[in-house]
Amino acid sequence: QLVLTQSPSASASLGASVKLTCTLSSGHSSYAIAWHQQQPEKGPRYLMKLNSDGSHSKGDGIPDRFSGSSSGAERYLTISSLQSEDEADYYCQTWGTGVWVFGGGTKLTVL
Amino acid sequence: QVQLQESGPGLVKPSQTLSLTCTVSGGSISSGGYYWSWIRQHPGKGLEWIGYIYYSGSTYYNPSLKSRVTISVDTSKNQFSLKLSSVTAADTAVYYCARGNCSSTSCYTDYWGQGTLVTVSS
Repeated sequence: QLVLTQSPSASASLGASVKLTCTLSSGHSSYAIAWHQQQPEKGPRYLMKLNSDGSHSKGDGIPDRFSGSSSGAERYLTISSLQSEDEADYYCQTWGTGVWVFGGGTKLTVL
Repeated sequence: QVQLQESGPGLVKPSQTLSLTCTVSGGSISSGGYYWSWIRQHPGKGLEWIGYIYYSGSTYYNPSLKSRVTISVDTSKNQFSLKLSSVTAADTAVYYCARGNCSSTSCYTDYWGQGTLVTVSS
């Protein structure tokens, strides 16, 4: 079964970097994913599509501070030079034939 | 730039049918390569995919909701719609419409609507 697993929470200091993880279920390590950001009281926003080889393509207007990488079944979102507006929920998404799957989301707190 | 806007009643009575419409601007719903989707978010919870439709009318639904969901498209109005029947309080959520950017190897959400809260209550 296609499942995405994310840690419920993460925190990092203003100006620092943070790396969020999304793990694909067994047998699906070659799958690409997408990352989305949801700021408080707002709808989600597409950040990037991330392939299994670490290559990624970002959405319109997404700052260079956001980058993606991959290792095995893990997909990462790295945010550098953290700003207060980066405090948000981050969701990963993947897809199969006629199905979309979302991870449970990671709540990022900027200290 | 593509924009999506949900519309519909914010309050629905139990056992009735929830109906929402998404109006797409900045692009044609008939453009190939895109699936038009509904996603919901229960209060304080994560994202749940409901289903999506191609402009030709082909649909895919979340198996957990399939028996109650109908998604349709109106290309003349550049709109697509969601109907969810026999609603209960468990269907109270923010409903988002979204565009799926789909190819032979990938299919992911690249544009989202702002969302609309639907409350199921008598």
